[in-house]
Amino acid sequence: SAVISQKPSRDICQRGTSLTIQCQVDSQVTMMFWYRQQPGQSLTLIATANQGSEATYESGFVIDKFPISRPNLTFSTLTVSNMSPEDSSIYLCSVIQDRGYEQYFGPGTRLTVT
Amino acid sequence: GENVEQHPSTLSVQEGDSAVIKCTYSDSASNYFPWYKQELGKGPQLIIDIRSNVGEKKDQRIAVTLNKTAKHFSLHITETQPEDSAVYFCAARGTSYGKLTFGQGTILTVHP
Repeated sequence: SAVISQKPSRDICQRGTSLTIQCQVDSQVTMMFWYRQQPGQSLTLIATANQGSEATYESGFVIDKFPISRPNLTFSTLTVSNMSPEDSSIYLCSVIQDRGYEQYFGPGTRLTVT
Repeated sequence: GENVEQHPSTLSVQEGDSAVIKCTYSDSASNYFPWYKQELGKGPQLIIDIRSNVGEKKDQRIAVTLNKTAKHFSLHITETQPEDSAVYFCAARGTSYGKLTFGQGTILTVHP
């Protein structure tokens, strides 16, 4: 399976600021996604990171709040903009390898907004 | 859209006992059903999965069964060990490639 790393692993941020989270995969993957896991809750898909084009966002998530980049087949970033305490969550990068069904998750970035 | 219900929300067993977690889904087009184990402070780890053309799959102490007609699937862990203690999530994926819809999670505690 693909090895996925995320930076930072955790951060504490001030209200109104922005944080960019990086996701790096050790091999080229067809698809990359960003999920959010609110405290004590399940996982929710934010968007699909498309290489070389704009990300595809799920209902309830918008590009101005969660801009995403994917410059190549192994790297993506998610920015959480103009943060509020409600953005305190774990943000997870997820990938599907070429022609695969299996979907893997990174270790997550634990964000606390004060 | 897809909706996945997971039960129970918490499960406590003695070491060596079996544990069963059940999920139901709503979208008959869903065709892939993974199970994830999430330990404290870590990301979800894929432990087993099943596709819609298979009724049962087993990997050592872990097995998953799927009933497409009833739209439910279950995770079975036999001979539980304390290291099996974690939060387990079921998920379903349909025609929207990559969009996993997750259940609410089950906190499994295995007592030595």
